[in-house]
Amino acid sequence: DAGVIQSPRHEVTEMGQEVTLRCKPISGHNSLFWYRQTMMRGLELLIYFNNNVPIDDSGMPEDRFSAKMPNASFSTLKIQPSEPRDSAVYFCASRTVSYNEQFFGPGTRLTVL
Amino acid sequence: RKEVEQDPGPFNVPEGATVAFNCTYSNSASQSFFWYRQDCRKEPKLLMSVYSSGNEDGRFTAQLNRASQYISLLIRDSKLSDSATYLCASYGGSQGNLIFGKGTKLSVKP
Repeated sequence: DAGVIQSPRHEVTEMGQEVTLRCKPISGHNSLFWYRQTMMRGLELLIYFNNNVPIDDSGMPEDRFSAKMPNASFSTLKIQPSEPRDSAVYFCASRTVSYNEQFFGPGTRLTVL
Repeated sequence: RKEVEQDPGPFNVPEGATVAFNCTYSNSASQSFFWYRQDCRKEPKLLMSVYSSGNEDGRFTAQLNRASQYISLLIRDSKLSDSATYLCASYGGSQGNLIFGKGTKLSVKP
C-alpha cells in the first residue's frame, strides 16, 4: 500500500515567493495533520482536518499560512509570502479516526533564501 | 510547562548497553501514548504504543506511570542500528491530535 505522499520533497525559494506543499493521505484515512519540524522547536502541529474539515488551526503561525483539504485524498499547505524563518521540514500525517497511530509522509524540506 | 517534555540527550552508549529514556506529560486526561523513532532526514515512524501500564516488543519496553505522568522507553542490548532520535507523543482527551516531545537523540557506538 502507498503511504502518505508529499510533494515536492525539496523546495528552495526566495523570500516573498508563494510556496505550496501538497499531501495525499493514505486511502481510507479520514484525519490529516500538517506538522513543521525545526531543530529549535521540534515537531509542531500546524493544523489538522477530520473528514476534510479543519478542526484546529491554532498552530498556524500567522496569516501567511493557509491550508485546504478540498477532498479526502488531497491537501495543500500554502505560505504566502514566504520568509527565511519558514525554513523547516514540513510533514503531513494521516490516520483513521478509530486508530491513534499517525503515519507520516516523507516530508518537504523547505529553504527560503 | 510544555505538554510533553523529553531529555534531548544525546545519549552515547556502547553496543550491548541498556538505555532508558523518560518523557513527562502535563495533560492528566491523556489516554494514549506513543514512542516514535526518527532517523536522520527521515520521517517519524511508530515504534510502540502504550495504552495501559506498559508494552514490550523484543528488546524494547515501554512503561506508563500515570501517577507521576511519565512514560519510559527501555532498550536492552542496544545495536548500532538503534541510533536515532526517539520522540514520545501524547494523545489527549477531546483533542484529536498527538503532541510530540522534541525527541531524545541516541547514538550507539561500537
